[in-house]
Formats: sequence, C-alpha cells, structure tokens
Amino acid sequence: DAKTTQPPSMDCAEGRAANLPCNHSTISGNEYVYWYRQIHSQGPQYIIHGLKNNETNEMASLIITEDRKSSTLILPHATLRDTAVYYCIVPTTYSGGSNYKLTFGKGTLLTVNP
Amino acid sequence: SQTIHQWPATLVQPVGSPLSLECTVEGTSNPNLYWYRQAAGRGLQLLFYSVGIGQISSEVPQNLSASRPQDRQFILSSKKLLLSDSGFYLCAWSVRPSVPKRRYEQYFGPGTRLTVT
Repeated sequence: DAKTTQPPSMDCAEGRAANLPCNHSTISGNEYVYWYRQIHSQGPQYIIHGLKNNETNEMASLIITEDRKSSTLILPHATLRDTAVYYCIVPTTYSGGSNYKLTFGKGTLLTVNP
Repeated sequence: SQTIHQWPATLVQPVGSPLSLECTVEGTSNPNLYWYRQAAGRGLQLLFYSVGIGQISSEVPQNLSASRPQDRQFILSSKKLLLSDSGFYLCAWSVRPSVPKRRYEQYFGPGTRLTVT
C-alpha cells in the first residue's frame, strides 16, 4: 500500500499561490493520487485527483512528477477561506479496483494570512 | 445534484445511553456509503462501509454498529455509549467504483459532533 508524507503545516499570504507538497515514493503504476481538504468543523471536501498527467479544475491544479514519487497541489490565488487541513491520499484498492479504502493521515494545515 | 444529510448536528449523551445517527443521500442511486469518526485532534477513522442494502462491512471492532435499511439511508447505532465514543461522526457517499474508471471521490456530510459525558 502506498503511503504519503506531507509537512504538518504551511503558511501562505492571501492572494499568493499555495503549493502543498506530498511524497508518495512507494506508489505503484496504476495508483491514483487524491487530494481532499477539511475546513475546521466540516467534513472533508474532494479537490482533485490524478494518475500521471497534470490536472486542473476550478479549485486547484495538481502537478505529479514524472517518476510519480511526489506531487504538488497548487491553489493559484489563496484566500482566507482556503485555510484548512489538506490531505494527500493514495487509495488502497481491492478486488482489481472495484473496491477501495481512503486512509486520511494528518495532512497539512494550510493557514492563509491576510 | 446530490446532497447528503446528517442529523443531529450536535448531541450530548450520558455514558450507557443508546445512540442513533442517521445519514441520507439524495440525487443518486446505489451509492457506496461510509461512516467515519474523527476524535479530537486526530485523523479520520473509517468505521463502516456499505455497498448495498443490508450489506455492512466493519473496519474496526468497537462499541458501534451500522445498518442500511434503504438504498440511500445509513444509520450508526450503539446500545450503550462509552466515553471513548465521543467525536465527530461523518457520513460519506461515493459512486460505485468500477474498473477502469477508478473514481474514488467521496462526498461528506456536515457531520455530527457527539459528546459522551
């Protein structure tokens, strides 16, 4: 099972890009990287996922290194409402991918400062 | 669009009392359903998941049980609460994962904050 490593905390100035790193050096070739975030006292929110190509949606961009051993979530213009714990997850799959489990670690607490 | 509801939002219960938390999903059919718990200052722990009516899988042995009486209804219960059952309980749903689409997004409800006194 691939595991992820994230810094416990990061700060970012409002309006600047927030770049959140994640190491997943044991990831296998068909395992995806998922990102969620959890704002205080709320349930986690899905952000984005990717396999090997860079991905972008309305919330964020995901950059995955060519060797797939690490990735970076980019919030292009961070706002105060982006303050949250960000989780990088490699789902554990079973039965050929028809079943899976998400393991939420401790994540990175991103604090966006005014 | 899909929505997920949980109630109550907060609950204070004495030790030894029963518990029933309810979760319902709207706007989708045949979802996978999940119960998680987040103890104070800790990460999310998967408690139960269900792939269909009456089908429950337990991740960890504990004082809790789950049931799925209808396709979009998931209930978390306990006969006698312990102090260690305090926490933030989250229900989530996902589409049925399939190969090769491999969609593993889960969508979470607002949660129930349970305090056992």
